[in-house]
Amino acid sequence: DGGITQSPKYLFRKEGQNVTLSCEQNLNHDAMYWYRQDPGQGLRLIYYSQIVNDFQKGDIAEGYSVSREKKESFPLTVTSAQKNPTAFYLCASSPRDRGSSSYGYTFGSGTRLTVV
Amino acid sequence: AQSVAQPEDQVNVAEGNPLTVKCTYSVSGNPYLFWYVQYPNRGLQFLLKYITGDNLVKGSYGFEAEFNKSQTSFHLKKPSALVSDSALYFCAVRLSAGNNRKLIWGLGTSLAVNP
Repeated sequence: DGGITQSPKYLFRKEGQNVTLSCEQNLNHDAMYWYRQDPGQGLRLIYYSQIVNDFQKGDIAEGYSVSREKKESFPLTVTSAQKNPTAFYLCASSPRDRGSSSYGYTFGSGTRLTVV
Repeated sequence: AQSVAQPEDQVNVAEGNPLTVKCTYSVSGNPYLFWYVQYPNRGLQFLLKYITGDNLVKGSYGFEAEFNKSQTSFHLKKPSALVSDSALYFCAVRLSAGNNRKLIWGLGTSLAVNP
């Protein structure tokens, strides 16, 4: 079955550590997105990529980095510069629009990151 | 600026009663509108979308939404709520034209269906 896989489901980070969250999709989607979700704040866009080897900052990119070396993969690194990383992280993808049709996003199941 | 508002943080409804989760939007152009549902500790699942055509859109799990251009609204509805409908609901919008495929998200509405 096609879909998006995020791993790990739960991740614990010590102060000062970098950690990388994995996001893999086999939907042949062009665009991929990373969101951070905190209670009461909805979804906040961290980074997005519309094509391989290209990505753009979202609304809260500071303290995060990404790469898009393959169409299927869009890993997110939470660096030590991110002072409050404890949150639920969601990865999503969408296909290229064709004509007047439009697509929403397909989401992964999320990774819950906790600083210990 | 484009925006989406979900004016209610929480909606409570008794099982079997009709439910409405409200969404209004502001975009400069024709919108594509979406509803998603999120169960605890899970990703978001697509419910339905409005692209063009009939203003009443039917989606998954018996949900429907009505597009009202004059009121710039896209309220989610269900005739008879189930306890299993309790979840977090998100409304989203994007422009119908242009290369920017980013969705603009509301902050979410927590729906509680009481037995």
